[in-house]
Amino acid sequence: EVQLVESGGAVVQSGGSLRLSCEASGFTFEDYDMHWVRQAPGKGLEWVALISWGGDKTDYADSVKGRFIVSRDNSRNSLFLQMNTLRIEDTAFYYCAKVLSDYAFDSWGQGTLVTVAS
Amino acid sequence: DIQLTQSPSFLSASVGDTVTITCRASQGIYGYLAWYQQKAGKAPQLLIYAASTLQRGVPSRFSGSGFGTEFTLTINSLQSEDFASYYCQQLNTYTFGPGTKVDF
Repeated sequence: EVQLVESGGAVVQSGGSLRLSCEASGFTFEDYDMHWVRQAPGKGLEWVALISWGGDKTDYADSVKGRFIVSRDNSRNSLFLQMNTLRIEDTAFYYCAKVLSDYAFDSWGQGTLVTVAS
Repeated sequence: DIQLTQSPSFLSASVGDTVTITCRASQGIYGYLAWYQQKAGKAPQLLIYAASTLQRGVPSRFSGSGFGTEFTLTINSLQSEDFASYYCQQLNTYTFGPGTKVDF
């Protein structure tokens, strides 16, 4: 059974940094591209970042480009999101998600809450 | 950038109804569209991918159709567990639609 477990969410001051982790199990992690998606409380889903299976390709939403860095450690079946220069509007639940080829995100973690305080 | 719109944003329905949600893309995306269901406090769950392919384990009352810029999600014989929010997503640049809440 595929499992994705996020951690690292916290309350952080505006301008601060935070690193989220996502631990994967139940599938061959190194074979799959992975994504981060966020959802502000009561709002819709927003795609955040992509990292390819080998880690050589990354892409970001314009809203986080230059501030967030996605990485992975295939030896530890782990995905990361380094978030710098955090803003109030980054407050959200952050989900990691596994791809179903190019067609969808077929498995999601339970989410971790990041709250950016002024 | 590819934008998605969904209509309606809110849908009032009853058990047994057939409901249809529309998702429109600002430019053609072939069949690279997925549909998700999200219940309060939970992560999204994949329902449909490649516009019309039912994800394993999803009940057959859910169906999807469309190509290019216009897509639909249909739920036949709505069940109580289907009251939730539904999102479309395009898989070219991964953006999501704004969502449709299906409620009583």
